[in-house]
Amino acid sequence: GAVVSQHPSWVICKSGTSVKIECRSLDFQATTMFWYRQFPKQSLMLMATSNEGSKATYEQGVEKDKFLINHASLTLSTLTVTSAHPEDSSFYICSARVASGRNNEQFFGPGTRLTVL
Amino acid sequence: DAKTTQPTSMDCAEGRAANLPCNHSTISGNEYVYWYRQIHSQGPQYIIHGLKNNETNEMASLIITEDRKSSTLILPHATLRDTAVYYCIVSRSLRSNDYKLSFGAGTTVTVRA
Repeated sequence: GAVVSQHPSWVICKSGTSVKIECRSLDFQATTMFWYRQFPKQSLMLMATSNEGSKATYEQGVEKDKFLINHASLTLSTLTVTSAHPEDSSFYICSARVASGRNNEQFFGPGTRLTVL
Repeated sequence: DAKTTQPTSMDCAEGRAANLPCNHSTISGNEYVYWYRQIHSQGPQYIIHGLKNNETNEMASLIITEDRKSSTLILPHATLRDTAVYYCIVSRSLRSNDYKLSFGAGTTVTVRA
């Protein structure tokens, strides 16, 4: 299957700082990328859907000014957690769907573990 | 999207078939059944999907009832590496503009030697 990478795989930051997480589709073009968050022992929660070249659509309850999403190209989306606080500590997972819709699959990245001190 | 109901957990023996049930009684005609799994601290992995016909691939088989209100994922020969949380998700087609995967609690499957 297609490969989605995330960078970094883990990050520790101080409270109040901003953290950027990159999501790349390595061998396909993704018109749509999704960002999820997963707290310990919980399921994945969809945060937002981003389409290349347009503004992201955020799920209810997700602060768009805190979680900035940029999808500037067909292979790269970034999630910036602004002014991070300890409650933002979580496992952030991105995923992408192929532009051609050749396969009915959504490919997931390996996740980024964020710890805010 | 239609909500799904899965058992919280199940154990199965290595080498035996694992049958994972899922109820989706409110599924609508244009919604697919997707199965993903998540091994600890990794991103979810696609397993299989279907609309109304039974499907099989190298990983698993998907059996969908005729009324489409429930389905069963079958792992034919479970191995220890199949230990994971399995998610049954109902959503529009990937090609649909309003497609998105919303994850429920899933079933924690533990394969024992």
